[in-house]
Amino acid sequence: EIVLTQSPATLSLSPGERATLSCRASQSVSSYLAWYQQKPGQAPRLLIYDASNRATGIPARFSGSGSGTDFTLTISSLEPEDFAVYYCQQRSNWPLWTFGQGTKVEIK
Amino acid sequence: QVQLVQSGAEVKKPGASVKVSCKASGYTFTSYDINWVRQATGQGLEWMGWMNPNSGNTGYAQKFQGRVTMTRNTSISTAYMELSSLRSEDTAVYYCARFRRAVDAFDIWGQGTMVTVSS
Repeated sequence: EIVLTQSPATLSLSPGERATLSCRASQSVSSYLAWYQQKPGQAPRLLIYDASNRATGIPARFSGSGSGTDFTLTISSLEPEDFAVYYCQQRSNWPLWTFGQGTKVEIK
Repeated sequence: QVQLVQSGAEVKKPGASVKVSCKASGYTFTSYDINWVRQATGQGLEWMGWMNPNSGNTGYAQKFQGRVTMTRNTSISTAYMELSSLRSEDTAVYYCARFRRAVDAFDIWGQGTMVTVSS
C-alpha cells in the first residue's frame, strides 16, 4: 500500500500570505495525485487533479505541482475562506485509493 | 444540478449493521463509479471501497472486506453501503463520492451521514 505523508500538520499564516503544503508518497504515483479542501462540517471539495490541474471553478490562486513521490499545493495569497484542512489522495494502485493525513491551514 | 444526497444520521448498537444510501441526480447514475469514504471525528479520510453502478462490480479496502457490502438500485439512481458487526471504532461520518475518470478523482461528494455506534 502506498502511504502519503503530508507536511506540515498545521500551517499558521495570515490572510494574504503564501501557503505551501507538501505531500510525499512512499513510492512513485506518477502524476496520479489529487488535492481536496475540507471545511468544518462539510464534505471535501476537489481542488487539483493529476497533480497540477485545477478542478472546475477553483480559483487561480490554487496551484499544484510535482510528480513521482513529491508534490506541492500552493495557495499564492490566502483568502479568509481558504483556512481549512487539505488532503492529498493517490490512485496509482487503482482501484485502491489512499489519502494523506491532512494539513490544517489556520489563521495566525 | 449534479449532486449526491445521503440518508440521515444513524445510531446503532455494537454488533448491529447499518445501511447508508446515496441518491444521485443531475447525471447518468450508471456512468460513474461510486466510492465510499469515512471520517472519524477529528480524523482524516479513509477510503472504504468502490462500486460500478452499471455492472454492480465492487472492490473493498482490505480493512473492511467481510464486513462491508456496496450495492445499488439503478431504477432510483441510489447506491448503498452496508457495514456489519459494528463496533465503537466505526463511529464516523460516511461519505459517498463520484469518481470521474476524466479527472482521476472524486469530483462530487455527498453531504455525509453520521453513524454513531454506542451501547
